[in-house]
Amino acid sequence: QVQLQQSGPELVKPSQTLSLTCAISGDSVSSDSVAWNWIRQSPSRGLEWLGRTYYRSKWHYDYAVSMRSRLTITPVPSKNQVSLKLNSVIPEDTAVYFCVREPLADGIFKWFDPWGQGSLVTVSS
Amino acid sequence: DIVMTQSPDSLAVSLGERATISCKSSQSVLWRSDNKNFLAWYQQKPGQPPKLLFYWASTRESGVPDRFSGSGSETDFSLTITSLQAEDVAIYYCQQYYRTPYTFGQGTKVEI
Repeated sequence: QVQLQQSGPELVKPSQTLSLTCAISGDSVSSDSVAWNWIRQSPSRGLEWLGRTYYRSKWHYDYAVSMRSRLTITPVPSKNQVSLKLNSVIPEDTAVYFCVREPLADGIFKWFDPWGQGSLVTVSS
Repeated sequence: DIVMTQSPDSLAVSLGERATISCKSSQSVLWRSDNKNFLAWYQQKPGQPPKLLFYWASTRESGVPDRFSGSGSETDFSLTITSLQAEDVAIYYCQQYYRTPYTFGQGTKVEI
């Protein structure tokens, strides 16, 4: 059974960097049949897909256009983790952030399952 | 981006009664080469992450009670709970995985 355990600060000041880590158990961050996503949820924006990483001969990265300039998703194979860094945060980045697994088979990306427990991050001075 | 629109935003249903949620996509999410709709449904209870209920629009995830059903194709989809139970109180979301950026409906809150 795949489990995703998230960790990271709950309060970040505006203009600083939001950093979260997702520890994976029951699967491998380097598996070629999975992608690892970050999704956030807020009352104003609902569920918002941020981006993903996956390994197919090399590491690949896909980001939402709106996040591309500020977001970095990094796999950490030595720790079987995936991390998220969001630079230059603003109060509107306040949200619950989820680490989520996405099956990949026959070149087809699929649904989200399972989800991490969620990390409420507040951007405030 | 593919816009997902759910209706209604909320509905109140008596225990044992039927609940139906609609989800419409701004573009078809049907992959014609294998006739699969790239549409998933999730259930989210307070303080919990979303939980996968259906994929390919109508394939029930293991462990999901058969009072839940998913249907539809191309741009019009629905989630039905045939006999609402107290534990079904939650917010339900549809999501397209046809192309990135993946997008979700705004959610439908189901109450007793």
